Amino acid sequence: DIQMTQSPSSLSASVGDRVTITCQASQDISNYLNWYQQKPGKAPKFLIYDASNLETGVPSRFSGSGSGTHFTFTISSLQPEDIATYYCQHYDNLPPRFTFGPGTKVDIK
Amino acid sequence: QVQLVESGGGVVQPGRSLRLSCAASGFTFSNYGMHWVRQAPGKGLEWVAVISYDGSNKYYADSVKGRFTISRDNSKNTLYLQMNTLRGEDTAVYYCAKDSSSSVDYYYGMGVWGQGTTVTVSS
Repeated sequence: DIQMTQSPSSLSASVGDRVTITCQASQDISNYLNWYQQKPGKAPKFLIYDASNLETGVPSRFSGSGSGTHFTFTISSLQPEDIATYYCQHYDNLPPRFTFGPGTKVDIK
Repeated sequence: QVQLVESGGGVVQPGRSLRLSCAASGFTFSNYGMHWVRQAPGKGLEWVAVISYDGSNKYYADSVKGRFTISRDNSKNTLYLQMNTLRGEDTAVYYCAKDSSSSVDYYYGMGVWGQGTTVTVSS
């Protein structure tokens, strides 16, 4: 089974800072990688699909990159409303299976 | 707008059963695969199951295979999760989610989520 890891597990940054989260797969997953945002007490929200494509309506300060085993999620200028836990997720269709990373909690310093 | 509303959660004893429902609106329900995802208290997200647009194909996480059954009624725009032989480790918030694509038996991820329903397994 493919394992997903994320680093750091948590971070604290100032408003306006650039924030970067990494996600690593235990084997090559091409670009079958999504990112989600979960604010405290709320359901997750779909942000990025296929590693680098922004879902409709998601602010352009969010971005993703990578392929193979190493992926990056970036907030170019952290805003107070970005306080949340961010999850990467691998999707597979042979057979269908979805594996989430452990999450990265982002706080304001 | 797309809306998913889960119901059916509650407190149940170990070994007993519970059925969750998810009422969908704002999109053509019968065109999309649907997921259940859960989140144990203070923990991360765990995918539980997915069902194809017509209910003909169903796939499960190993942790629930043989105990949980996903189903749907397209005439009622409703998704279900029948949970049998419940264990303490099944305690979680259960979310239903619409797949992000309408491809036939191919799934991309959870494009829209409901607000969740809480299941507590305890004696």
